[in-house]
Amino acid sequence: AQSVTQLGSHVSVSEGALVLLRCNYSSSVPPYLFWYVQYPNQGLQLLLKYTSAATLVKGINGFEAEFKKSETSFHLTKPSAHMSDAAEYFCAVSYNQAGTALIFGKGTTLSVSS
Amino acid sequence: DTAVSQTPKYLVTQMGNDKSIKCEQNLGHDTMYWYKQDSKKFLKIMFSYNNKELIINETVPNRFSPKSPDKAHLNLHINSLELGDSAVYFCASRREGTGELFFGEGSRLTVL
Repeated sequence: AQSVTQLGSHVSVSEGALVLLRCNYSSSVPPYLFWYVQYPNQGLQLLLKYTSAATLVKGINGFEAEFKKSETSFHLTKPSAHMSDAAEYFCAVSYNQAGTALIFGKGTTLSVSS
Repeated sequence: DTAVSQTPKYLVTQMGNDKSIKCEQNLGHDTMYWYKQDSKKFLKIMFSYNNKELIINETVPNRFSPKSPDKAHLNLHINSLELGDSAVYFCASRREGTGELFFGEGSRLTVL
């Protein structure tokens, strides 16, 4: 069975500081991994995805994530936080087979202070 | 054009009523989903259809009944609404090959 654990339900950073949101996964087969962002009262938007190509994945808005199989991790980073990055972030796991769904972590709320 | 659209965006109703939420996608995807997001923001899969066929049916009360008239539409009907049904319901469609989901903006259901 697949699962995702996001460490830290709330992360606070200062504007310009490094953003690090942690995600560990469990999957019995090679996974597809995703980070989604949700701004208040909006739907989910894809930030980036890992689908077994390059292990370092670059996404939108300056975010990137590295797939580390040995650590079963897919942490999300951004070198310099911006106020507009404040949102809810979800890590999700799936695999490419009919009848599967994205399984989401519980989410991490990112707060950015000036 | 909105890729995945849901209506209505907001729904306020009394306990015991029946309500429906509609979803349409114009991406040409074969697979669609309903997710429920609770007050703690946790996202839980409810149902999935692939080309009008039900392929995922999680442990959901049978008061919830999805219907897919064609592969571009997936509707959710809820009978005898309860307080605990209050949540945001998200529709999504899946891009084949990458597993990426495209989400609608959500339908916020409030049961009084």
